[in-house]
Amino acid sequence: DAGVIQSPRHEVTEMGQEVTLRCKPISGHNSLFWYRQTMMRGLELLIYFNNNVPIDDSGMPEDRFSAKMPNASFSTLKIQPSEPRDSAVYFCASSLGTSGQHRGETQYFGPGTRLLVL
Amino acid sequence: EDQVTQSPEALRLQEGESSSLNCSYTVSGLRGLFWYRQDPGKGPEFLFTLYSAGEEKEKERLKATLTKKESFLHITAPKPEDSATYLCAVPSGNTPLVFGKGTRLSVIA
Repeated sequence: DAGVIQSPRHEVTEMGQEVTLRCKPISGHNSLFWYRQTMMRGLELLIYFNNNVPIDDSGMPEDRFSAKMPNASFSTLKIQPSEPRDSAVYFCASSLGTSGQHRGETQYFGPGTRLLVL
Repeated sequence: EDQVTQSPEALRLQEGESSSLNCSYTVSGLRGLFWYRQDPGKGPEFLFTLYSAGEEKEKERLKATLTKKESFLHITAPKPEDSATYLCAVPSGNTPLVFGKGTRLSVIA
């Protein structure tokens, strides 16, 4: 089975440009997560969806960041305009999304998108 | 406040030299503790989930244990291919998983 798929794998852009990261979760998974990883702050949750509905976006750093999940097999994370401090590795993860609040659920990660904003 | 603290930040072992990594957590009502392995340039890869104090799980040279306030990842007779960053994570409040900063393990042949 294919795991979580992310594209592009690498992105180099200039400050002020729009950046769109894409994710395809594991088929049958109902929850999707966007994370950002930096050396300083580690792995941070930005936003997550359950059944295509955004549940918690409190980790989104600024209004420049937005995420959508138009259907169960596709999500985007957009940064507009991008800034050098947005440089990081962005991961998408998915989980079955059936455990509710009583039990933590295993998340499966994609390979990440390494973003460099010059 | 830190909810998940991992130590040490980095660990260098000789091949065959057993050791343990620590993950301390401060959340109440633990709903699971998760261990992941992350290789350079890749996404975290799931290893184990522990749900109850006293629970243990093993995979090859790795064994994870859980108490009411911390978890250990024991590495027995490590090999160079065990070199990676090991992350632990717990659910906290409405956040499905909060991750620690990880332990960078290097195993030297």
